[in-house]
Amino acid sequence: EAQVTQNPRYLITVTGKKLTVTCSQNMNHEYMSWYRQDPGLGLRQIYYSMNVEVTDKGDVPEGYKVSRKEKRNFPLILESPSPNQTSLYFCASSSFLGGETQYFGPGTRLLVL
Amino acid sequence: TQLLEQSPQFLSIQEGENLTVYCNSSSVFSSLQWYRQEPGEGPVLLVTVVTGGEVKKLKRLTFQFGDARKDSSLHITAAQPGDTGLYLCLHPRGKLQFGAGTQVVVTP
Repeated sequence: EAQVTQNPRYLITVTGKKLTVTCSQNMNHEYMSWYRQDPGLGLRQIYYSMNVEVTDKGDVPEGYKVSRKEKRNFPLILESPSPNQTSLYFCASSSFLGGETQYFGPGTRLLVL
Repeated sequence: TQLLEQSPQFLSIQEGENLTVYCNSSSVFSSLQWYRQEPGEGPVLLVTVVTGGEVKKLKRLTFQFGDARKDSSLHITAAQPGDTGLYLCLHPRGKLQFGAGTQVVVTP
């Protein structure tokens, strides 16, 4: 089954404790991206990747890091989480950036205390 | 940056009523996508419109792309509780930016 998976689905952590949210897709997609979703603000892009070893900042990259060492994986790293990073996070992928369907993962709900 | 504005932000209607939500911009788009997001899930693509003036139908949902390709609308006929969700528009080019969405609630 074609899908985007994220782990964990739910996470409660404390300020400053490094965490990684994994994202994996099995569709051989070139393009992958991370979003955060907050009430009233919609989906805002954090980082995106056009292909392996190619990443770039989205609209809200501060406090986040990403890597794309393999085509299928695109982890989101919070080196020192803060309460303002409490949010719902989505990973998405598409075959290329040209009008193709964005396939989203199920989301990761993060609470930073 | 091409800003997508969606309206209304929230819409609550009774089952059987019709509704329309809008996605507008001051920029011209080569194409536009509509997604629906149900609670606890990621957005799912409903349709892509490409040609100015294009109308696409998906069962009770009708999507229209403005003639000037600066705006789009989604019309739902005889809404059902299963239509409840957050409706998002996206210009699928460049740095992807979604509109803030319209939350639709259809009550029985």
